Amino acid sequence: QKEVEQNSGPLSVPEGAIASLNCTYSDRVSQSFFWYRQYSGKSPELIMSIYSNGDKEDGRFTAQLNKASQYVSLLIRDSQPSDSATYLCAVNRNAGNMLTFGGGTRLMVKP
Amino acid sequence: EAQVTQNPRYLITVTGKKLTVTCSQNMNHEYMSWYRQDPGLGLRQIYYSMNVEVTDKGDVPEGYKVSRKEKRNFPLILESPSPNQTSLYFCASSFSGGRNSGYTFGSGTRLTVV
Repeated sequence: QKEVEQNSGPLSVPEGAIASLNCTYSDRVSQSFFWYRQYSGKSPELIMSIYSNGDKEDGRFTAQLNKASQYVSLLIRDSQPSDSATYLCAVNRNAGNMLTFGGGTRLMVKP
Repeated sequence: EAQVTQNPRYLITVTGKKLTVTCSQNMNHEYMSWYRQDPGLGLRQIYYSMNVEVTDKGDVPEGYKVSRKEKRNFPLILESPSPNQTSLYFCASSFSGGRNSGYTFGSGTRLTVV
């Protein structure tokens, strides 16, 4: 079992819809969780981080964490074609700097 | 501008010829890390450093060396590159670990070993 798992997609949503991206992780002691966006040929950029169970909102983005189910999700409201990218889930497995990434989900937002 | 700078952006080399990929950050970050990204395998951590002279192996350290003599620099060294090290490499830095370990990534180095 991979430590951080994501559906590779592509996930296709129409413009203006809510895109829901999911991630599961295997290590129960994981502390911190991150969502990155990566455009084709570019480097990953940090969108959001979340540490506590529940929801965290930042503009059109909402991260959700459920530690009991070992599940992290990212909701993108009012999806735009410019949101088309690969979304990477990352998990910090210790108090240091071991950040493990999932394989990413490719999102396509169609006009 | 706050950034992580990697050089070179593209590199083609031959098997066995030692090479160094440089990485520098201007944000006074404690933590730095190297990743490689391969199709179907995603981003995998090679080495990371929590401070000057403190480095540790990530998930795929074989065939790589790093050093952290100064806080801002974290070069990646391939002593004897092989074709299976052909990949896209990213350097990244963060202010600290744990909750603040959200990385800022460099632009990447595309390495081809023939």
